Amino acid sequence: NAGVTQTPKFQVLKTGQSMTLQCAQDMNHNSMYWYRQDPGMGLRLIYYSASEGTTDKGEVPNGYNVSRLNKREFSLRLESAAPSQTSVYFCASSDALGAKDTQYFGPGTRLTVL
Amino acid sequence: AQSVTQLDSQVPVFEEAPVELRCNYSSSVSVYLFWYVQYPNQGLQLLLKYLSGSTLVESINGFEAEFNKSQTSFHLRKPSVHISDTAEYFCAVSEAGSARQLTFGSGTQLTVLP
Repeated sequence: NAGVTQTPKFQVLKTGQSMTLQCAQDMNHNSMYWYRQDPGMGLRLIYYSASEGTTDKGEVPNGYNVSRLNKREFSLRLESAAPSQTSVYFCASSDALGAKDTQYFGPGTRLTVL
Repeated sequence: AQSVTQLDSQVPVFEEAPVELRCNYSSSVSVYLFWYVQYPNQGLQLLLKYLSGSTLVESINGFEAEFNKSQTSFHLRKPSVHISDTAEYFCAVSEAGSARQLTFGSGTQLTVLP
């Protein structure tokens, strides 16, 4: 039982390049999330998916797109990377989209945009 | 809208000393409260949470937090810390009875010194 896995672990991009961050969970969770973590700012929600086939914007969605490929997988795409998107990206999942549900996090992807 | 303030960004403490990490929240409705811990180069893990009932909640590794509604606080305490408690700790809040997502504080880096 691997929990939440993310690939890649590290990535360096040049401004304007595109890439997709992959996330998968094996806990049969319905809801999945993408966060970014910046120093001194905690975690901010980019997008989330309440269930397979649905996605919604979070607090900071600009510059990103997501795909809920199936119940297990939730990807985050940067179409044209900018230096402001340098951050650590975390994927998380929970059993349901409820305020009381525990979220389980992946190990993160460290992205640098030059 | 809800918000979370973690008053200390860095807390150094000697091994076996007590520690308190402070968290205050703001919300116009009832809330659920969480403490997550992030060990170096890892994702976040749930440490403990308050949903309802007893205002004092405990974790399996000796941490406890008390929900104080009048003070709008949820401070985290441990009577005697270990080197292995060195990590970043995040307080988070969500609105009870809704699907509103977690709002995280900016984090407190706890460093336990030998």
